[in-house]
Amino acid sequence: AQTVTQSQPEMSVQEAETVTLSCTYDTSENNYYLFWYKQPPSRQMILVIRQEAYKQQNATENRFSVNFQKAAKSFSLKISDSQLGDTAMYFCAFMRTGAGSYQLTFGKGTKLSVIP
Amino acid sequence: KAGVTQTPRYLIKTRGQQVTLSCSPISGHRSVSWYQQTPGQGLQFLFEYFSETQRNKGNFPGRFSGRQFSNSRSEMNVSTLELGDSALYLCASSLVVASGTEAFFGQGTRLTVV
Repeated sequence: AQTVTQSQPEMSVQEAETVTLSCTYDTSENNYYLFWYKQPPSRQMILVIRQEAYKQQNATENRFSVNFQKAAKSFSLKISDSQLGDTAMYFCAFMRTGAGSYQLTFGKGTKLSVIP
Repeated sequence: KAGVTQTPRYLIKTRGQQVTLSCSPISGHRSVSWYQQTPGQGLQFLFEYFSETQRNKGNFPGRFSGRQFSNSRSEMNVSTLELGDSALYLCASSLVVASGTEAFFGQGTRLTVV
């Protein structure tokens, strides 16, 4: 079974600054996907960024980037130039590939507050 | 294209009743998964349907069931509701594309059991 751990229950960052959210996972699989989802107060779960485990290059999406360390089983999210709209819960998630399932395993989440 | 649509958005039910929630996936997505989100347990996987077949199930009692129709729309049913079933129920639709796997969520159904 896979487990995902987010060790920071809450974080805060000043507007326009950079913040990094941590995520570690445990799996015996070699092929998988990792995701970061954002859940604002509206409760809509929004896909922020996705990383395929077979890709060595770290994924980036505008102000969002990841630091994927496969050997260390670490998948952190960096948010640059933080904006007030980034205030939300952030969930790290794991998905096996080739298992005939799209099941996601989530961490407990990190509540991020962006301070004006 | 349209996103994942869940109905209703909010529900209030009484203990012992049953409830049915609906999820319409993104067009072309054949996989629909359901998750329960509570403050204490976080996000927990309920089950997944693909082409009208349940292919994966989480650790939930038999009161939780689901189905998928030929148009990929899915319903989940909870019978004999308990107070602890109060939660946000999220539906996700997934598809493998050239660039990888997409997994997108609906806005959820907030179920309150009183």
